[in-house]
Amino acid sequence: QQQVKQSPQSLIVQKGGISIINCAYENTAFDYFPWYQQFPGKGPALLIAIRPDVSEKKEGRFTISFNKSAKQFSLHIMDSQPGDSATYFCAAFSGSARQLTFGSGTQLTVLP
Amino acid sequence: DGGITQSPKYLFRKEGQNVTLSCEQNLNHDAMYWYRQDPGQGLRLIYYSQIVNDFQKGDIAEGYSVSREKKESFPLTVTSAQKNPTAFYLCASSRRAENEKLFFGSGTQLSVL
Repeated sequence: QQQVKQSPQSLIVQKGGISIINCAYENTAFDYFPWYQQFPGKGPALLIAIRPDVSEKKEGRFTISFNKSAKQFSLHIMDSQPGDSATYFCAAFSGSARQLTFGSGTQLTVLP
Repeated sequence: DGGITQSPKYLFRKEGQNVTLSCEQNLNHDAMYWYRQDPGQGLRLIYYSQIVNDFQKGDIAEGYSVSREKKESFPLTVTSAQKNPTAFYLCASSRRAENEKLFFGSGTQLSVL
């Protein structure tokens, strides 16, 4: 049972464009929503995260938008750069289960 | 430098063979985790440990075993019972009070000969 659904599976964006990756969850017990960035041959690294008491969080060119009623959240990468080319995973954390559940990942390619 | 070290980077398994993947951390984290990554399937939890000498099964524990004899180390054994072991294996750790913030190693790619 996939508790966090992520789309699209792959995304190609021109340099300077906006990259948008979407995630939806089912479990209302989730209370922390991070995004991880993974480069080929490396482990994922925490990029940005949000808690459900806010609707948006911005760090530099990266923004999370969160819609609690729709149980959806998304990552926006503004002014996308070729160095942003990586796989991005959304995740959701349940404080009661103390575990992260990951989405299936989005492979982002930013063309120069 | 604090971090998580996984070894080897690449590992090959013959049929019927058990292999062990190493994971060492010097972050002084209490919790450690093993994930399996397959293309298009995200990260799936194999085993996790919140404290030394204690560990729990994750979503896909069948065919795997772990031990946690030291805080710094959490080795994963892929047994011959795991019929489809080819995957990228990731070890992670976290502070016990911050299980939501995982720090990952660079992974081990396991392939079957």
